[in-house]
Amino acid sequence: ELKVEQNPLFLSMQEGKNYTIYCNYSTTSDRLYWYRQDPGKSLESLFVLLSNGAVKQEGRLMASLDTKARLSTLHITAAVHDLSATYFCAVDTGTASKLTFGTGTRLQVTL
Amino acid sequence: GAGVSQSPSNKVTEKGKDVELRCDPISGHTALYWYRQSLGQGLEFLIYFQGNSAPDKSGLPSDRFSAERTGGSVSTLTIQRTQQEDSAVYLCASSLGTRLSYEQYFGPGTRLTVT
Repeated sequence: ELKVEQNPLFLSMQEGKNYTIYCNYSTTSDRLYWYRQDPGKSLESLFVLLSNGAVKQEGRLMASLDTKARLSTLHITAAVHDLSATYFCAVDTGTASKLTFGTGTRLQVTL
Repeated sequence: GAGVSQSPSNKVTEKGKDVELRCDPISGHTALYWYRQSLGQGLEFLIYFQGNSAPDKSGLPSDRFSAERTGGSVSTLTIQRTQQEDSAVYLCASSLGTRLSYEQYFGPGTRLTVT
């Protein structure tokens, strides 16, 4: 059974600081997704990582994938308050089937 | 273009009643997914449709849950004899379902409260 673990579960950081969220998964997969969820809202797609070594950046967020280590990271650079949300990583099994989600990381950026 | 839509946005029902939740996927998306989000269990997969068939129903928690998809478009998730533990946000997602694009786009969800 595929397991996806994220850490930390909760992250409080000051504006301007850098931090990394980690996503580990237990079985082979070469497709990993990062989503953002604001309170009371649905999931917004941030990044799709499709191969080993993939790196994508959007604004202050950068995601990477190491399929050999079964690890993805979401790096936050110079955090701003608007980034406060819950971030989920998700892995699929490669056959257009279900996503298995991590537990989520609740990010709170304080002024 | 229009995204995934779901209705109703909120549903309050009494224990033991049946409920139907509806999902309209993005036009042209052949793959459709139902997930459930609850405080205790996080985000859980329920069922996946490719066209009108459901090759993966492994996430349905009990035989009280069923889903169908007609015309390769709209899907309905039905929960019979609702229980309090069914209270959750039910999310629908769709994707092109091709090798080049498995990315899933999520709807706004239906918040179900069973009293």
